Parts: sequence; structure tokens; C-alpha cells
Amino acid sequence: GAVVSQHPSWVICKSGTSVKIECRSLDFQATTMFWYRQFPKQSLMLMATSNEGSKATYEQGVEKDKFLINHASLTLSTLTVTSAHPEDSSFYICSPASRTGAYNEQFFGPGTRLTVL
Amino acid sequence: GENVEQHPSTLSVQEGDSAVIKCTYSDSASNYFPWYKQELGKRPQLIIDIRSNVGEKKDQRIAVTLNKTAKHFSLHITETQPEDSAVYFCAAGSAGGTSYGKLTFGQGTILTVHP
Repeated sequence: GAVVSQHPSWVICKSGTSVKIECRSLDFQATTMFWYRQFPKQSLMLMATSNEGSKATYEQGVEKDKFLINHASLTLSTLTVTSAHPEDSSFYICSPASRTGAYNEQFFGPGTRLTVL
Repeated sequence: GENVEQHPSTLSVQEGDSAVIKCTYSDSASNYFPWYKQELGKRPQLIIDIRSNVGEKKDQRIAVTLNKTAKHFSLHITETQPEDSAVYFCAAGSAGGTSYGKLTFGQGTILTVHP
């Protein structure tokens, strides 16, 4: 299957600071990147969709100025949580997709657990 | 947008019994229905998926059925084992040609298999 990495795997930060999460697709070109978040004991919720070289499209209720997404290359997308607050504590998971159809399933990164104190 | 409902929220079975989890979806344009198993603190892992041109798919102890008319699909696990214990999520989305679209997930089912 596809190799997807996320960094960091976990992070603890103080309220008001910004945190950047990197997602890399190591063996295929991710023309599209989906970013999900999962609060404890809840399901995955799509936050935003980004296409390489374009601005991200955010789901209803997700603040685009708070969750900055950059998808400048086919192998790297970043999610920056700006001015993080305790309610942003969650499991953030990226999911790259490729127009080339290199794989016949949709993959997820290993996730980043963010804890905001 | 798409809305996916999943039931039950918890399911407890004895080892060797079967487990069935059901999902309904709202968007008739959805054509891709994967099921994921998620263990604590880990990413979701695909266990089986089905596309809308197929009514049933089986992989060893796991099977999925799809009823497009009623907009529901189900996961069937036979001969359950303790290692099947996890949270299971259904999802609905689109998969056209060579690309995959966003997924809408169900609420999840906590499956516990007692030895």
C-alpha cells in the first residue's frame, strides 16, 4: 500500500501557540489531500480538501484562518493550527489521493495527536 | 451533503459468533463504501470496501452487502475472534475513474469479542 507519514506523531503545546503538522506521501503523487480530525471517542470529520497548487476548500464550521493548509507539492501538505486552544485538542489525520489511480483504496496517514494545555 | 448513520454504537459478542454493523447514507451520488477498523490511538485501516456496481463482496470472514435502492450497506464478520475487538467505521464517498473523493464517516461501532 501507499506510504504516508505524518510529523509530529504527537505534540503538546500551550494555548495561543501555533502548531504545524506535516503530511508526506512517500511513494506516489498526492494531487489531492484530505485533512480529517477525530475528537476522543468520536468519528473522523473532514476538515478541508486541498489540491496541489490551489487553495484549500474548507468544510462548514471549519475556520480557514485558524487551520492553514498548504499543499505546495505533490508529496507534502501541511496543516497549521494557529492560536491553538484546548478545544483544538484532537487527532489530526491526512489522507492523500492521486489522480493517477496508483492505488485502489484511500489511505490515511498515521495521525498527529495534538494536546493543547 | 452526505450523511451517514451507523448502528449499533456498541456491539458485544461471544467468540465464534457473527457480528453485523449497519449503515445508511443519504446521497445517491455516493458510489464507494469502505469499512475501516481502528484500534486505539492508530489510524483507520481499510478492511473491505464495495462500489455501487456490486451488491456483495466477501473476503474470508468479512463480507459487505450494499442495497443502493434503500441506501444502506452492512458489514458482516463471521467466526469472530478477540482480535476483532476494535472500533469499526463505515464511510461513503465517491470513486470515479482513477480518483477518490472525500469520505463521510459513520459514528463508529465499538465491537467487543469476549473469549
